[in-house]
Amino acid sequence: KQEVTQIPAALSVPEGENLVLNCSFTDSAIYNLQWFRQDPGKGLTSLLLIQSSQREQTSGRLNASLDKSSGRSTLYIAASQPGDSATYLCAGRDSGGYQKVTFGTGTKLQVIP
Amino acid sequence: GAGVSQSPSNKVTEKGKDVELRCDPISGHTALYWYRQSLGQGLEFLIYFQGNSAPDKSGLPSDRFSAERTGGSVSTLTIQRTQQEDSAVYLCASSLPGGGYYGYTFGSGTRLTVV
Repeated sequence: KQEVTQIPAALSVPEGENLVLNCSFTDSAIYNLQWFRQDPGKGLTSLLLIQSSQREQTSGRLNASLDKSSGRSTLYIAASQPGDSATYLCAGRDSGGYQKVTFGTGTKLQVIP
Repeated sequence: GAGVSQSPSNKVTEKGKDVELRCDPISGHTALYWYRQSLGQGLEFLIYFQGNSAPDKSGLPSDRFSAERTGGSVSTLTIQRTQQEDSAVYLCASSLPGGGYYGYTFGSGTRLTVV
């Protein structure tokens, strides 16, 4: 059974700082991994999707990496802004025939102006 | 539609009443998922649809919960005899055919409060 862990649970940084959010998964036979952000009281917004054959994906100030052998993914946020404050969730899609997705519990990020 | 649409966005109901939550996925998305997010908790898988069939409904917490999907499109999650512990945000997601290769798109959720 796939288990996904995100550490830390919460993070507070000053504006402008570069930061890394971590996601660990137990089953290296992962199909893909998706990073989402969730604003308070809102649904999930997709940020980046990394296929198992890829090592990283980039979108603007965001870069996500995937290392299947170590069971880790990281989300790098460059030059953080107060608008980046949200909860960040990673989700792994299992490689089995069934499209089950397992979510981490999230990292709540606060960027202080 | 352009995105996954969920209705209502907020629902307050009295304990013991039945509620229906609706999800309208992106056109062409054959896979549909329901998740529940309780206050301060992670996302809890409820049920997965492929077309109108539900290959995995293992996450439904009790027999008070049921879901259906019609026409390979709209899905309804029904909670009977609601309890206070059912209070949560219910999120729906859909994906294109291809086993989730293209990732998942979520709706904004329905916030259910049982009083």
